[in-house]
Amino acid sequence: QLQLQESGPGLVKPSETLSLTCTVSGGSISSSSYYWGWIRQPPGKGLEWIGSIYYSGSTYYNPSLKSRVTISVDTSKNQFSLKLSSVTAADTAVYYCARSGCCGEWYFDLWGRGTLVTVSS
Amino acid sequence: SYELTQPPSVSVSPGQTARITCSGDALPKQYAYWYQQKPGQAPVLVIYKDSERPSGIPERFSGSSSGTTVTLTISGVQAEDEADYYCQSADSSGTSWVFGGGTKLTVL
Repeated sequence: QLQLQESGPGLVKPSETLSLTCTVSGGSISSSSYYWGWIRQPPGKGLEWIGSIYYSGSTYYNPSLKSRVTISVDTSKNQFSLKLSSVTAADTAVYYCARSGCCGEWYFDLWGRGTLVTVSS
Repeated sequence: SYELTQPPSVSVSPGQTARITCSGDALPKQYAYWYQQKPGQAPVLVIYKDSERPSGIPERFSGSSSGTTVTLTISGVQAEDEADYYCQSADSSGTSWVFGGGTKLTVL
């Protein structure tokens, strides 16, 4: 059974770069049928899509975050990663990694448990 | 930027039917998806491609689409259905995904 697990620091200082990794187990990240994405949720607020990546490295980013976001994939480790630069308190959120369909079917059918990242000095 | 609009809250009594709407200009072109999220948990996909139900999701959950509005219907609402519900779709180009603001379903 495929599972996703987020990992990374739970506390990041303002102006620094937030870095998270999602490890995929029980299946291959190199499947041609799926994209892999990051979604976040500030405390008490709604979901926000950050961006998604294909195993080949092709990416889509939320236009509102594009200037600060980099998503990469390491197929040898079955992982994909998120970097968000110049963070502020507004970036405090639970960050989820998730699997999505592709090619017009952009639903997220499998999610990690999420990890809380707090931006504070 | 593209937006999907949901009502902030919907309330129903047990056994009644709950309908949650989601509006967006690109919905005639792009599929809509629905997620259920309970406190402290990751979202769960309950409807995909406007009206398809993933395996393991109860039959009381259904979806429909009409023009720029999609609707999640929960028939015979149960107490366990109390949760936040989010719609999700893509912009007209299909290159940017977006979630609606979420609807809190309260079972009275």
